[in-house]
Amino acid sequence: DTGVSQDPRHKITKRGQNVTFRCDPISEHNRLYWYRQTLGQGPEFLTYFQNEAQLEKSRLLSDRFSAERPKGSFSTLEIQRTEQGDSAMYLCASSFLLAGGNNEQFFGPGTRLTVL
Amino acid sequence: AQSVTQLDSQVPVFEEAPVELRCNYSSSVSVYLFWYVQYPNQGLQLLLKYLSGSTLVESINGFEAEFNKSQTSFHLRKPSVHISDTAEYFCAVSEFRGGSQGNLIFGKGTKLSVKP
Repeated sequence: DTGVSQDPRHKITKRGQNVTFRCDPISEHNRLYWYRQTLGQGPEFLTYFQNEAQLEKSRLLSDRFSAERPKGSFSTLEIQRTEQGDSAMYLCASSFLLAGGNNEQFFGPGTRLTVL
Repeated sequence: AQSVTQLDSQVPVFEEAPVELRCNYSSSVSVYLFWYVQYPNQGLQLLLKYLSGSTLVESINGFEAEFNKSQTSFHLRKPSVHISDTAEYFCAVSEFRGGSQGNLIFGKGTKLSVKP
């Protein structure tokens, strides 16, 4: 296992189309996070899962966004009816929650979305 | 609400010069503090972290950061930089709540450019 992987690495789509991204976390990591990074900004938290349960969602996650982690392993992030403002790098991170609360997050390379 | 301020968006320095990248945070509860580094065309990597204990933490490649609770700062320093340190550096915080570490809140990043 070489780390968190994301697919695709790049996605170009037209406004109004739906897109789906996939994240494969490090094996046995029970937490999975999605972040979004726009140009000139740091990553912004979108949502996270512990196993298959989605425990928290940011206000940034509008109704057009949905995330799943059906078997507690890989996760998908879907954006419906994409808008130009959705253009960003979408980052996935995973961690293993230890007793005491320390759970270092390991990041994937990201999926760069461009909405035309 | 938590927030992170990185005061410098770009820091140009000459090789072998010292550097300090500044980071201030705000939070009403106990926090964990992190510095992540993003090399060109690569994903985010954890550089160092403060969870508890000694307020001075070090990385394996010569960086160090000091947690200053009274000034709510976590500045990153290196006494002598190399060309290979050219990257974007992100400061991040997470709250300790519900018995574990929450999601990360990032600053906007500082681009360190090391010149020969």
